[in-house]
Amino acid sequence: QITLKESGPTLVKPTQTLTLTCTFSGFSLSTSGVGVGWIRQPPGKALEWLALIYWDDDKRYSPSLKSRLTITKDTSKNQVVLTMTNMDPVDTATYYCAHRPYSGYDYASWFDPWGQGTLVTVSS
Amino acid sequence: DIVMTQTPLSLSVTPGQPASISCKSSQSLLHSDGKTYLYWYLQKPGQSPQLLIYEVSSRFSGVPDRFSGSGSGTDFTLKISRVEAEDVGVYYCMQGIHPVTFGQGTKLEIK
Repeated sequence: QITLKESGPTLVKPTQTLTLTCTFSGFSLSTSGVGVGWIRQPPGKALEWLALIYWDDDKRYSPSLKSRLTITKDTSKNQVVLTMTNMDPVDTATYYCAHRPYSGYDYASWFDPWGQGTLVTVSS
Repeated sequence: DIVMTQTPLSLSVTPGQPASISCKSSQSLLHSDGKTYLYWYLQKPGQSPQLLIYEVSSRFSGVPDRFSGSGSGTDFTLKISRVEAEDVGVYYCMQGIHPVTFGQGTKLEIK
């Protein structure tokens, strides 16, 4: 059974850097074709994909947020870390990490399952 | 980026009646590999999104057969043949060609 859980601060101040950790079980990020993605959802709004890291350390970022995002992995710890710089109140959202199932290609992705999400509020 | 547009944004359905949600993409989702990377998720109240349909019309494991997906190119539809109370929530279409993008969501309520 694959499970993922997000952890990190619930409150950050504007201009600060957010660091979120996704700890997962039931799969290995050293397995070919597998990945972990991050998706966020502002309160009452739609989902927005942020970033994805593959088993081979290849990375993909949302073009609109690329300059602020960094995704890394620690395969030995079964963790993926997302950092987002220069946080703003508009970044207030529930942040989800999700498993990217195996596929033989790297130009498309889908996600299942998702973690429970963690709400991050940006406020001074 | 590919823009995903869902209609309607909300619908209220009597139990046992059908429901249909449309999703249109700004570009064709048919890849040169022959696959169409269109997915449907349901986010039940207070929960994380769960996958219903992958690659337009394939039901994910455990998804009831009252859910079906169809479409091609840029026009896609999710249909629920007979809505049940447990189907309430927000439905999202997602296109999987990088960068991944989601529709605005369609909120399904029970009358």
